[in-house]
Amino acid sequence: EDQVTQSPEALRLQEGESSSLNCSYTVSGLRGLFWYRQDPGKGPEFLFTLYSAGEEKEKERLKATLTKKESFLHITAPKPEDSATYLCAVQARSNYQLIWGAGTKLIIKP
Amino acid sequence: KAGVTQTPRYLIKTRGQQVTLSCSPISGHRSVSWYQQTPGQGLQFLFEYFSETQRNKGNFPGRFSGRQFSNSRSEMNVSTLELGDSALYLCASSGSRAGQDSTDTQYFGPGTRLTVL
Repeated sequence: EDQVTQSPEALRLQEGESSSLNCSYTVSGLRGLFWYRQDPGKGPEFLFTLYSAGEEKEKERLKATLTKKESFLHITAPKPEDSATYLCAVQARSNYQLIWGAGTKLIIKP
Repeated sequence: KAGVTQTPRYLIKTRGQQVTLSCSPISGHRSVSWYQQTPGQGLQFLFEYFSETQRNKGNFPGRFSGRQFSNSRSEMNVSTLELGDSALYLCASSGSRAGQDSTDTQYFGPGTRLTVL
């Protein structure tokens, strides 16, 4: 069964304290892995798509990496405005439907 | 390019009523997916439409239905509302092309907050 697990459920960091969020997945043939950011009461905002193991993408303080079993979202020197819930989803080759993780709630304290 | 729009943004209904939510995708996108999001359950997939046809369906009761029009705009309907239907309903569009070899990013609208009293 296709499955996505995100850890930790919540993460509290001080401003400037770098860390990583994890997205572990099992899927029968990966078509793509997606990272989104969601602020309370709003729709998810697209961050990255990764297609194959070894691929990396960066945007400002965020860097996403992909292996055959998991993806990491590294956040470097975060700021309070990076506080949000970060969602991970995978798309299998057999289906267009996205399988979503439960998300990691990130809180950056000034 | 204009983003995904959803109307209305907020709705208050009572149990037993029905509701229709609307979604206008990004211009040129042909796929529209609907999700229900609640604090306890996260993002739950309802259904996806592509070129006016339902391509995928999640595990929701038949009270939840949808459709897509020739201009790719989509509506979802919930009949006989229950208290548990209170949620943020999200619509996402992607530029999915016909055929098997496309990986498409979904872009989300702001959502419709439905409260059932």
